[in-house]
Amino acid sequence: AQSVTQLDSHVSVSEGTPVLLRCNYSSSYSPSLFWYVQHPNKGLQLLLKYTSAATLVKGINGFEAEFKKSETSFHLTKPSAHMSDAAEYFCVVSPFGNEKLTFGTGTRLTIIP
Amino acid sequence: NAGVTQTPKFQVLKTGQSMTLQCAQDMNHEYMSWYRQDPGMGLRLIHYSVGAGITDQGEVPNGYNVSRSTTEDFPLRLLSAAPSQTSVYFCASSSYGGTGELFFGEGSRLTVL
Repeated sequence: AQSVTQLDSHVSVSEGTPVLLRCNYSSSYSPSLFWYVQHPNKGLQLLLKYTSAATLVKGINGFEAEFKKSETSFHLTKPSAHMSDAAEYFCVVSPFGNEKLTFGTGTRLTIIP
Repeated sequence: NAGVTQTPKFQVLKTGQSMTLQCAQDMNHEYMSWYRQDPGMGLRLIHYSVGAGITDQGEVPNGYNVSRSTTEDFPLRLLSAAPSQTSVYFCASSSYGGTGELFFGEGSRLTVL
């Protein structure tokens, strides 16, 4: 069985400060992990993915995530928040690296001017 | 490229009515899927297809029907709408057996009264 837990339903940061969105996963296999972003009234877009290569994964718009097997975590970070980062972020796990994905419940990121 | 196109974007139904949500993709993707998004629950898989003529159930298939007669189209049918089906529906596609990256439409917001 596989599952994903996003530890915060809502995160607020000031513009220019670091962003940390936390995700823990559970998987019986060596999983693939993803972060997707959803801007208001839009579909989801892939931010980055981990597929058992480098444990530090760089994505679009300055985001990155680190796969830590010992902690079963895949936290998303960005050094400096921008107003355009305000959106909902989903951590996603796939046990076989294919399209059978399990989504977390999402973290809404608010940026304070 | 249009990507994944969903119609309609908004729909209001009365309990017991039927309707079809349309999904079309122009990327020649083998894999297509339907998700529903409800507050605090992330995205849940309704049905999916790995190619023309092949469909299978996801996590929450009851009350929905699908077919896949062409590679491009994957309509979702609500047979007898219920208030519990009020949700935002997303269609997504991918190259099956690839990286696991899904390409999403912009969603269809359905309200059942």
